[in-house]
Amino acid sequence: AAGVIQSPRHLIKEKRETATLKCYPIPRHDTVYWYQQGPGQDPQFLISFYEKMQSDKGSIPDRFSAQQFSDYHSELNMSSLELGDSALYFCASSLVRGFTEAFFGQGTRLTVV
Amino acid sequence: RKEVEQDPGPFNVPEGATVAFNCTYSNSASQSFFWYRQDCRKEPKLLMSVYSSGNEDGRFTAQLNRASQYISLLIRDSKLSDSATYLCVVLSSMEYGNKLVFGAGTILRVKS
Repeated sequence: AAGVIQSPRHLIKEKRETATLKCYPIPRHDTVYWYQQGPGQDPQFLISFYEKMQSDKGSIPDRFSAQQFSDYHSELNMSSLELGDSALYFCASSLVRGFTEAFFGQGTRLTVV
Repeated sequence: RKEVEQDPGPFNVPEGATVAFNCTYSNSASQSFFWYRQDCRKEPKLLMSVYSSGNEDGRFTAQLNRASQYISLLIRDSKLSDSATYLCVVLSSMEYGNKLVFGAGTILRVKS
């Protein structure tokens, strides 16, 4: 069965550079969530989209932005990268109807040097 | 106070032991409840959904108490491979879309 696809899997950037992370949800899923997980920490919610519109916002820095496109894939854009942005970034998708579980992609490991 | 609270552990148990994790949530309007398992630096994976009637999947039993806003996970006959972080996750409806809130996770270490 198709799963959530994230790209790239690994990314190395220098301070002050920009990065774009992509997420392709499970087909027919209408909701995408983005999480950031630092070493030894639980996933921190960044932002979510439902039917291509932002539905909730968490602890996402102003330097980050995200959107969901007409094909339901989502992109997380990160600018002016800082060392502290180094983390695993997970995307998850789900169906709003039925309040069902979310499925996670394998994550993008971002390292800022 | 966090919306979803878990004892972080770690729980260090021998193989074959029974171990129980608890989780409390603050939003009484929450609709769905889940336990996820996360291995080191990998993505969270759904372990099981949690229902008021309780549900069992092999060695794993989950229970929801809506009145007390409390969720539990019981693991019987622990295996070395059960060592992981167990995340309690609560889903709530919003005006537009759903909200998914994670607990901080409970670390389980099963030792031979």
